Amino acid sequence: DSGVTQTPKHLITATGQRVTLRCSPRSGDLSVYWYQQSLDQGLQFLIQYYNGEERAKGNILERFSAQQFPDLHSELNLSSLELGDSALYFCASSEGGLAGFTGELFFGEGSRLTVL
Amino acid sequence: QKEVEQDPGPLSVPEGAIVSLNCTYSNSAFQYFMWYRQYSRKGPELLMYTYSSGNKEDGRFTAQVDKSSKYISLFIRDSQPSDSATYLCAMSRVQGAQKLVFGQGTRLTINP
Repeated sequence: DSGVTQTPKHLITATGQRVTLRCSPRSGDLSVYWYQQSLDQGLQFLIQYYNGEERAKGNILERFSAQQFPDLHSELNLSSLELGDSALYFCASSEGGLAGFTGELFFGEGSRLTVL
Repeated sequence: QKEVEQDPGPLSVPEGAIVSLNCTYSNSAFQYFMWYRQYSRKGPELLMYTYSSGNKEDGRFTAQVDKSSKYISLFIRDSQPSDSATYLCAMSRVQGAQKLVFGQGTRLTINP
């Protein structure tokens, strides 16, 4: 158990809808990262927050947004959903703005989104 | 062209075999190299970490980096059924985990 909690584990919705994925980082970790994993693209970095502020941005679509709250949990909002957004969405956390010397991220078990 | 290329497999070998997993990359600025292991229905977990070129050994696992060829490898000796998982290489330009670039992952099955 990594200590990172993600909800919901599974989500099925229709095109055009909006969903929110939630992540609670490991106790004491200030950074939260969101990744998207699909069969054809692999694991793609979306966005990082550190202590409530956006720290780094990856290949995140404009239809997607995220935030980190004062209690350090984070939410990823996906709107105007398309079939191609079906994927596993992972949250990961690390202690600082950088994941220490080893680059270790602690991943949750993911939220599987299916868009029909 | 992707920055990091990894054969997705699947790769199936008998128990006890030596397994070789590989990634190539195009960005010569990458200096930090990692291997993550992902079991089915779980998130990835860090398995090995290396900096720059060279080898690193941890039990049955050896990570190898050849920066001149932009090629990294993970060797698993005396493979066990419990090693069955997807192995993802990851790399970054700077120390730490900002914007880690992952390979697609190789699905490995060790057959008893």
